[in-house]
Amino acid sequence: EVPLVESGGALIQPGGSLRLSCTVSGFSVSSNYMSWVRQAPGKGLEWVSVIYSGGRTYYADSVKGRFTVSRDDSKNTLYLQMSSLRAEDTALYYCARGGGDYNPFDYWGQGTLVTVSS
Amino acid sequence: DIQMTQSPSSVSASVGDRVTITCRASQSISSWLAWYQQKPGKAPKILIYAASSLQSGVPSRFSGSGFGTDFTLTISSLQPEDSATYYCQQGNSFPLTFGGGTKVEIK
Repeated sequence: EVPLVESGGALIQPGGSLRLSCTVSGFSVSSNYMSWVRQAPGKGLEWVSVIYSGGRTYYADSVKGRFTVSRDDSKNTLYLQMSSLRAEDTALYYCARGGGDYNPFDYWGQGTLVTVSS
Repeated sequence: DIQMTQSPSSVSASVGDRVTITCRASQSISSWLAWYQQKPGKAPKILIYAASSLQSGVPSRFSGSGFGTDFTLTISSLQPEDSATYYCQQGNSFPLTFGGGTKVEIK
Protein backbone atom coordinates (compact mmCIF):
# COMPACT_ATOMS: atom_id res chain seq x y z
CA GLU A 1 0.00 0.00 0.00
CA VAL A 2 1.15 3.50 -0.77
CA PRO A 3 -0.43 5.82 1.70
CA LEU A 4 -1.79 9.17 0.75
CA VAL A 5 -3.25 10.98 3.72
CA GLU A 6 -5.53 13.96 3.24
CA SER A 7 -6.26 16.54 5.91
CA GLY A 8 -7.74 19.99 6.30
CA GLY A 9 -11.40 19.30 5.70
CA ALA A 10 -13.82 21.32 7.80
CA LEU A 11 -17.20 22.99 8.09
CA ILE A 12 -16.84 26.36 6.40
CA GLN A 13 -19.25 29.17 5.58
CA PRO A 14 -20.12 30.06 1.99
CA GLY A 15 -17.58 32.46 0.58
CA GLY A 16 -14.85 31.16 2.86
CA SER A 17 -11.47 29.66 2.11
CA LEU A 18 -9.81 26.40 3.05
CA ARG A 19 -6.59 24.57 2.25
CA LEU A 20 -6.48 20.81 1.94
CA SER A 21 -3.27 18.83 2.27
CA CYS A 22 -2.28 15.39 1.04
CA THR A 23 0.86 13.93 2.55
CA VAL A 24 2.40 11.16 0.50
CA SER A 25 4.87 8.44 1.39
CA GLY A 26 6.31 5.81 -0.91
CA PHE A 27 6.77 7.96 -4.00
CA SER A 28 7.58 11.54 -4.88
CA VAL A 29 4.76 13.96 -5.64
CA SER A 30 7.25 15.92 -7.72
CA SER A 31 7.74 13.01 -10.13
CA ASN A 32 4.11 12.09 -10.63
CA TYR A 33 0.81 13.46 -11.85
CA MET A 34 -1.20 14.29 -8.75
CA SER A 35 -4.91 14.99 -8.76
CA TRP A 36 -7.81 15.96 -6.56
CA VAL A 37 -11.10 14.15 -7.08
CA ARG A 38 -14.25 14.90 -5.08
CA GLN A 39 -17.46 13.11 -4.28
CA ALA A 40 -20.53 14.93 -3.04
CA PRO A 41 -22.57 13.01 -0.44
CA GLY A 42 -24.36 10.12 -2.13
CA LYS A 43 -23.12 11.17 -5.57
CA GLY A 44 -20.53 10.09 -8.11
CA LEU A 45 -16.92 11.04 -8.65
CA GLU A 46 -15.83 14.40 -10.06
CA TRP A 47 -12.29 15.22 -11.08
CA VAL A 48 -11.20 18.61 -9.73
CA SER A 49 -7.59 19.34 -10.70
CA VAL A 50 -4.20 17.91 -11.60
CA ILE A 51 -0.63 19.09 -11.27
CA TYR A 52 2.05 17.69 -13.56
CA SER A 53 5.60 16.96 -12.51
CA GLY A 54 6.69 20.03 -14.43
CA GLY A 55 4.17 22.19 -12.59
CA ARG A 56 1.50 22.52 -15.26
CA THR A 57 -2.02 22.52 -13.82
CA TYR A 58 -5.52 21.85 -15.09
CA TYR A 59 -8.89 22.41 -13.44
CA ALA A 60 -12.52 21.46 -13.81
CA ASP A 61 -14.61 24.37 -15.04
CA SER A 62 -16.62 24.25 -11.83
CA VAL A 63 -13.59 25.28 -9.75
CA LYS A 64 -11.46 27.24 -12.20
CA GLY A 65 -10.47 30.60 -10.79
CA ARG A 66 -11.43 29.57 -7.24
CA PHE A 67 -9.21 26.55 -6.51
CA THR A 68 -5.43 26.29 -6.83
CA VAL A 69 -3.44 23.06 -6.75
CA SER A 70 0.18 23.16 -5.63
CA ARG A 71 2.79 21.02 -3.95
CA ASP A 72 5.74 21.27 -1.58
CA ASP A 73 8.38 18.88 -2.82
CA SER A 74 10.42 19.15 0.38
CA LYS A 75 7.41 17.95 2.36
CA ASN A 76 6.20 15.56 -0.35
CA THR A 77 2.79 17.10 0.07
CA LEU A 78 0.04 18.13 -2.33
CA TYR A 79 -2.29 21.02 -1.59
CA LEU A 80 -5.63 22.33 -2.76
CA GLN A 81 -6.32 25.96 -1.89
CA MET A 82 -10.04 26.59 -2.13
CA SER A 83 -11.63 30.03 -2.04
CA SER A 84 -15.07 31.53 -2.65
CA LEU A 85 -16.53 28.26 -1.46
CA ARG A 86 -20.10 27.39 -2.38
CA ALA A 87 -22.60 24.91 -1.04
CA GLU A 88 -22.05 22.78 -4.14
CA ASP A 89 -18.38 22.34 -3.17
CA THR A 90 -19.52 20.18 -0.25
CA ALA A 91 -17.86 16.83 -0.81
CA LEU A 92 -15.32 14.27 0.27
CA TYR A 93 -12.06 15.33 -1.36
CA TYR A 94 -9.63 12.62 -2.40
CA CYS A 95 -6.08 13.05 -3.56
CA ALA A 96 -4.92 10.50 -6.07
CA ARG A 97 -1.88 9.71 -8.14
CA GLY A 98 -2.50 10.04 -11.83
CA GLY A 99 -4.75 12.08 -14.07
CA GLY A 100 -2.32 13.43 -16.66
CA ASP A 101 -1.18 12.18 -20.06
CA TYR A 102 -3.60 9.23 -20.03
CA ASN A 103 -2.51 7.99 -16.61
CA PRO A 104 -5.33 6.50 -14.52
CA PHE A 105 -5.75 7.12 -10.80
CA ASP A 106 -3.86 4.19 -9.34
CA TYR A 107 -3.49 5.27 -5.71
CA TRP A 108 -6.05 7.12 -3.62
CA GLY A 109 -6.16 8.61 -0.16
CA GLN A 110 -9.03 8.05 2.24
CA GLY A 111 -10.51 11.51 1.65
CA THR A 112 -11.18 14.59 3.75
CA LEU A 113 -14.66 16.08 4.14
CA VAL A 114 -15.43 19.67 3.23
CA THR A 115 -18.85 20.97 4.22
CA VAL A 116 -19.88 24.42 3.03
CA SER A 117 -22.83 25.68 5.01
CA SER A 118 -23.94 28.65 7.06
CA ASP B 1 -16.42 18.04 -22.44
CA ILE B 2 -16.63 14.29 -22.97
CA GLN B 3 -19.73 12.80 -21.36
CA MET B 4 -19.49 9.26 -20.01
CA THR B 5 -22.74 7.31 -19.81
CA GLN B 6 -22.90 4.06 -17.87
CA SER B 7 -25.59 1.45 -17.98
CA PRO B 8 -27.31 0.00 -16.17
CA SER B 9 -27.36 2.28 -13.15
CA SER B 10 -27.86 -0.76 -10.97
CA VAL B 11 -27.84 -4.52 -11.35
CA SER B 12 -28.75 -7.35 -9.01
CA ALA B 13 -27.25 -10.74 -9.73
CA SER B 14 -26.49 -14.03 -8.04
CA VAL B 15 -23.14 -15.37 -6.98
CA GLY B 16 -21.52 -17.01 -9.99
CA ASP B 17 -23.41 -14.93 -12.55
CA ARG B 18 -21.72 -13.06 -15.36
CA VAL B 19 -22.22 -9.31 -15.04
CA THR B 20 -21.57 -6.79 -17.80
CA ILE B 21 -21.49 -3.01 -17.37
CA THR B 22 -21.29 -0.70 -20.34
CA CYS B 23 -19.80 2.77 -20.66
CA ARG B 24 -20.31 5.01 -23.66
CA ALA B 25 -18.27 8.13 -24.40
CA SER B 26 -19.82 11.09 -26.22
CA GLN B 27 -16.82 11.14 -28.55
CA SER B 28 -13.91 8.85 -29.29
CA ILE B 29 -11.46 8.38 -26.46
CA SER B 30 -9.34 5.73 -28.18
CA SER B 31 -8.51 3.22 -25.40
CA TRP B 32 -8.07 5.80 -22.63
CA LEU B 33 -10.60 4.36 -20.27
CA ALA B 34 -10.30 3.11 -16.72
CA TRP B 35 -12.67 1.26 -14.43
CA TYR B 36 -12.86 1.70 -10.66
CA GLN B 37 -14.62 -0.16 -7.88
CA GLN B 38 -15.87 1.70 -4.82
CA LYS B 39 -17.25 0.09 -1.70
CA PRO B 40 -19.26 2.09 0.85
CA GLY B 41 -17.08 4.34 2.97
CA LYS B 42 -13.96 3.51 0.98
CA ALA B 43 -11.89 5.21 -1.68
CA PRO B 44 -12.19 4.00 -5.27
CA LYS B 45 -9.86 1.24 -6.38
CA ILE B 46 -8.60 0.87 -9.89
CA LEU B 47 -9.50 -2.35 -11.68
CA ILE B 48 -8.78 -1.80 -15.36
CA TYR B 49 -6.76 0.80 -17.27
CA ALA B 50 -6.25 1.45 -20.97
CA ALA B 51 -9.64 -0.20 -21.54
CA SER B 52 -8.46 -3.77 -21.12
CA SER B 53 -5.34 -3.93 -18.94
CA LEU B 54 -5.89 -5.57 -15.57
CA GLN B 55 -4.33 -3.68 -12.66
CA SER B 56 -1.87 -5.75 -10.66
CA GLY B 57 -3.55 -7.65 -7.84
CA VAL B 58 -7.05 -7.47 -9.30
CA PRO B 59 -8.76 -10.86 -9.69
CA SER B 60 -8.85 -12.23 -13.21
CA ARG B 61 -12.65 -12.49 -13.16
CA PHE B 62 -12.63 -8.78 -13.99
CA SER B 63 -12.01 -7.87 -17.61
CA GLY B 64 -12.47 -4.84 -19.82
CA SER B 65 -12.89 -4.32 -23.52
CA GLY B 66 -13.73 -1.66 -26.05
CA PHE B 67 -12.26 1.12 -28.15
CA GLY B 68 -13.42 4.48 -29.37
CA THR B 69 -16.77 5.18 -27.73
CA ASP B 70 -18.09 1.87 -26.42
CA PHE B 71 -16.60 -0.04 -23.52
CA THR B 72 -17.54 -2.90 -21.22
CA LEU B 73 -16.51 -4.17 -17.81
CA THR B 74 -17.27 -7.84 -17.25
CA ILE B 75 -17.26 -9.80 -14.04
CA SER B 76 -17.13 -13.39 -15.24
CA SER B 77 -18.31 -15.04 -12.03
CA LEU B 78 -19.77 -12.65 -9.47
CA GLN B 79 -18.50 -13.03 -5.92
CA PRO B 80 -20.00 -11.63 -2.69
CA GLU B 81 -17.07 -9.24 -2.29
CA ASP B 82 -17.87 -7.69 -5.69
CA SER B 83 -20.87 -5.86 -4.23
CA ALA B 84 -19.89 -2.24 -4.93
CA THR B 85 -20.38 0.71 -7.24
CA TYR B 86 -18.34 0.72 -10.44
CA TYR B 87 -17.25 3.83 -12.33
CA CYS B 88 -15.69 4.33 -15.73
CA GLN B 89 -13.39 7.31 -16.38
CA GLN B 90 -11.99 8.77 -19.56
CA GLY B 91 -8.41 9.96 -19.60
CA ASN B 92 -8.32 11.16 -23.20
CA SER B 93 -8.78 14.87 -22.60
CA PHE B 94 -9.47 17.48 -19.98
CA PRO B 95 -11.69 17.80 -18.11
CA LEU B 96 -11.32 14.20 -17.02
CA THR B 97 -14.79 12.75 -16.56
CA PHE B 98 -16.41 9.81 -14.84
CA GLY B 99 -19.52 7.85 -15.62
CA GLY B 100 -22.42 8.09 -13.22
CA GLY B 101 -21.73 4.71 -11.66
CA THR B 102 -23.28 1.25 -11.64
CA LYS B 103 -24.29 -0.29 -8.35
CA VAL B 104 -23.84 -4.07 -8.29
CA GLU B 105 -25.81 -5.94 -5.68
CA ILE B 106 -25.83 -9.61 -4.78
CA LYS B 107 -29.21 -11.35 -4.82
